[in-house]
Amino acid sequence: EADIYQTPRYLVIGTGKKITLECSQTMGHDKMYWYQQDPGMELHLIHYSYGVNSTEKGDLSSESTVSRIRTEHFPLTLESARPSHTSQYLCASSRGGKYYGYTFGSGTRLTVV
Amino acid sequence: AQSVTQPDIHITVSEGASLELRCNYSYGATPYLFWYVQSPGQGLQLLLKYFSGDTLVQGIKGFEAEFKRSQSSFNLRKPSVHWSDAAEYFCAVGVGWRNNAGNMLTFGGGTRLMVKP
Repeated sequence: EADIYQTPRYLVIGTGKKITLECSQTMGHDKMYWYQQDPGMELHLIHYSYGVNSTEKGDLSSESTVSRIRTEHFPLTLESARPSHTSQYLCASSRGGKYYGYTFGSGTRLTVV
Repeated sequence: AQSVTQPDIHITVSEGASLELRCNYSYGATPYLFWYVQSPGQGLQLLLKYFSGDTLVQGIKGFEAEFKRSQSSFNLRKPSVHWSDAAEYFCAVGVGWRNNAGNMLTFGGGTRLMVKP
């Protein structure tokens, strides 16, 4: 069963609102990641973290920000949502190293109207 | 830089038929290869992985994949497809350390599998 949790699963929100997408994992993984998935399926890395108090931007430029104050928690925030932010957001974590791959959450589908 | 190509965006097979999903990678060193499945509205679930040893690896749900270094491929196969296999499938290659992030995966664009009754 999933040990990485994303909330909410679905969110419809108006333009200009501030939102935070939550991601928590109970596996003690140091590495965590946020992906944006467009309707064409492709996954785009937008943020990652290799431990507490470390965050990096990914390959796809994003107006969102992240924080990593605790190992288990990696929230993503949009200060002012826009329709272009409508997408699915997937959180993942990893033990690190080449062997383990990622464990993914179920995702948050965000719609900005 | 590493890359992963899944040449087929959509594939439709009949239930009970065999399946092969293609994955080609470009990476200079020994690759660490993964297949994930994504059911509608869900996150990605690991099907199988390869990093050494036997080039034919078995995964969950009756899937297997074969690593062919000479062809830079890691194709996913299943002998008999079930309607519940309809989903999106992603191939990924694990590269080394990137800014200490570790095990950074590069994903292919995905293949959407549809299963006809």
